[in-house]
Amino acid sequence: SQTIHQWPATLVQPVGSPLSLECTVEGTSNPNLYWYRQAAGRGLQLLFYSVGIGQISSEVPQNLSASRPQDRQFILSSKKLLLSDSGFYLCAWTRDTLGTEAFFGQGTRLTVV
Amino acid sequence: AQTVTQSQPEMSVQEAETVTLSCTYDTSESDYYLFWYKQPPSRQMILVIRQEAYKQQNATENRFSVNFQKAAKSFSLKISDSQLGDAAMYFCAYSGGSNYKLTFGKGTLLTVNP
Repeated sequence: SQTIHQWPATLVQPVGSPLSLECTVEGTSNPNLYWYRQAAGRGLQLLFYSVGIGQISSEVPQNLSASRPQDRQFILSSKKLLLSDSGFYLCAWTRDTLGTEAFFGQGTRLTVV
Repeated sequence: AQTVTQSQPEMSVQEAETVTLSCTYDTSESDYYLFWYKQPPSRQMILVIRQEAYKQQNATENRFSVNFQKAAKSFSLKISDSQLGDAAMYFCAYSGGSNYKLTFGKGTLLTVNP
């Protein structure tokens, strides 16, 4: 069976510090991978998605970046965090077939202080 | 660009009653899929129902059904016999074209009153 792991679950970081959130998927190959941010319990904002190793599409080209160094690994990064980066970050994957269900990680609650 | 709009930030329903959540979308694609996801307080995202654009028949899953109006680009979710466990944030989502982008609306917070 397929599983998705996202860590850490909670993170408190000072302004200006770097960020690295990691997401890995097990039990499948060539998944589509996604990073979303959910601010204040509201909508899911798509940040990045990837359909293959090294292929990253950016929806919000601001203070964040994403990388996919391995087929089932997706990393969200920042060199210098801003207060506005606080939020709930969700990683998700789908099979590489249009219209399939998205499976989500448990999420990371990031607080920038 | 594909967009998904949920115009109802909050909705409430009495237990055992029926409620309809609205969703509209914009796309130029001919082949696409629409989804409703539920996010309870645990924050875990759960797929409620899926609709394929090329299917005219509305999807149903037990107490959940959709009203898919392709020409109007409307995709509403009807919850019948509402239960306390249905209380959650509901997201409408779109996936289409060849780039596998998955776009969500801003969500509707559903409260179920006993």
